[in-house]
Amino acid sequence: GEDVEQSLFLSVREGDSSVINCTYTDSSSTYLYWYKQEPGAGLQLLTYIFSNMDMKQDQRLTVLLNKKDKHLSLRIADTQTGDSAIYFCAESSISGGYNKLIFGAGTRLAVHP
Amino acid sequence: DAGVIQSPRHEVTEMGQEVTLRCKPISGHDYLFWYRQTMMRGLELLIYFNNNVPIDDSGMPEDRFSAKMPNASFSTLKIQPSEPRDSAVYFCASSLRLAGGPLDEQFFGPGTRLTVL
Repeated sequence: GEDVEQSLFLSVREGDSSVINCTYTDSSSTYLYWYKQEPGAGLQLLTYIFSNMDMKQDQRLTVLLNKKDKHLSLRIADTQTGDSAIYFCAESSISGGYNKLIFGAGTRLAVHP
Repeated sequence: DAGVIQSPRHEVTEMGQEVTLRCKPISGHDYLFWYRQTMMRGLELLIYFNNNVPIDDSGMPEDRFSAKMPNASFSTLKIQPSEPRDSAVYFCASSLRLAGGPLDEQFFGPGTRLTVL
């Protein structure tokens, strides 16, 4: 069935790189997404990758996709305290004839000085 | 646009009471979603609407939960009677289209934190 799995917690030092990993199950997903949730707020789309790509870079963010292993990762370079948040991986999946987003449980990123 | 608006932001109620959560989607968005977030279960899709019509309610936990969308600018999620295990943050989101493309971003409201005592 549909399932998206992520590690629940990551702690990094300010200035280091953060890597958040995710595995998904639906090989037909056209797009895969990363959403960010800051404290007390809703989720906000951070970036996405098309399934026929293996890498996408956007400023400090790098998304890597290994379609064979159904593994997605988000790398944040030069991590700042403002990057502290929960990061959700999501896949688009067809259910009952409709596409919908399936979210992972979220990885809580803590950045310390 | 003000984004997705939810009310109330916080709700504390006693077990057995009726709870109504409200959502105003972004104008022009055809899809509206209700999610529930808990530490134990993460983010769960409860139900979504397309053009005010419920499409998939398979995530609604049980008959105590009901959702309506009487018009394009308003939706409610009702819990009657409420139970302590319903305590969670409830998010409403809206999108222009359904998932499947980069333009199908879901815009989330700030959430309603529900506590049932």
